[in-house]
Amino acid sequence: DQQVKQNSPSLSVQEGRISILNCDYTNSMFDYFLWYKKYPAEGPTFLISISSIKDKNEDGRFTVFLNKSAKHLSLHIVPSQPGDSAVYFCAASVNTGTASKLTFGTGTRLQVTL
Amino acid sequence: KAGVTQTPRYLIKTRGQQVTLSCSPISGHRSVSWYQQTPGQGLQFLFEYFSETQRNKGNFPGRFSGRQFSNSRSEMNVSTLELGDSALYLCASSLATENTEAFFGQGTRLTVV
Repeated sequence: DQQVKQNSPSLSVQEGRISILNCDYTNSMFDYFLWYKKYPAEGPTFLISISSIKDKNEDGRFTVFLNKSAKHLSLHIVPSQPGDSAVYFCAASVNTGTASKLTFGTGTRLQVTL
Repeated sequence: KAGVTQTPRYLIKTRGQQVTLSCSPISGHRSVSWYQQTPGQGLQFLFEYFSETQRNKGNFPGRFSGRQFSNSRSEMNVSTLELGDSALYLCASSLATENTEAFFGQGTRLTVV
């Protein structure tokens, strides 16, 4: 069963606009969530994370929102830039608050157009 | 500070053979995790080693094994290779303390023919 779901396989956004990537999870034991960005033939690059005790974390152009009651998190990128075009994965870990064992979503391909 | 280094980057093996992949974590990181990425299954957790002990294990057959050395370097072994083992194998290292992230290497692309 897919415990972490990214229901949008792809997203296209114009440069300068906001990109919103969504992620849903089913396991209520997840307590730490991360977003990674991945280019083809490379390993994922960490973007931002959030602990389950928070509902928002911000780092520059990236903000992650967590809604525990809905088991939903989202990544906002503002403003979107062409270099943001990549596949974005959300990931979650259980009961440890660490990133030692991550369950990944299936990814959303973001394309930022000029 | 050097990142996570995986060797080799590319590998072609024949069905039935065995393969060993290597991962050098970021200096000071004691946790090393391995993941398999395939188009159909996405990124799936294989196992995690911490201080030379396997601490977590995913749902993979026993053909997949690993170990960690005293310098935190890790190796992953796949025996009796099957065509379905063709994938990108990713290694990640972390401090394994609360609210710290995992850093990934560039991966080893394994092709089984």
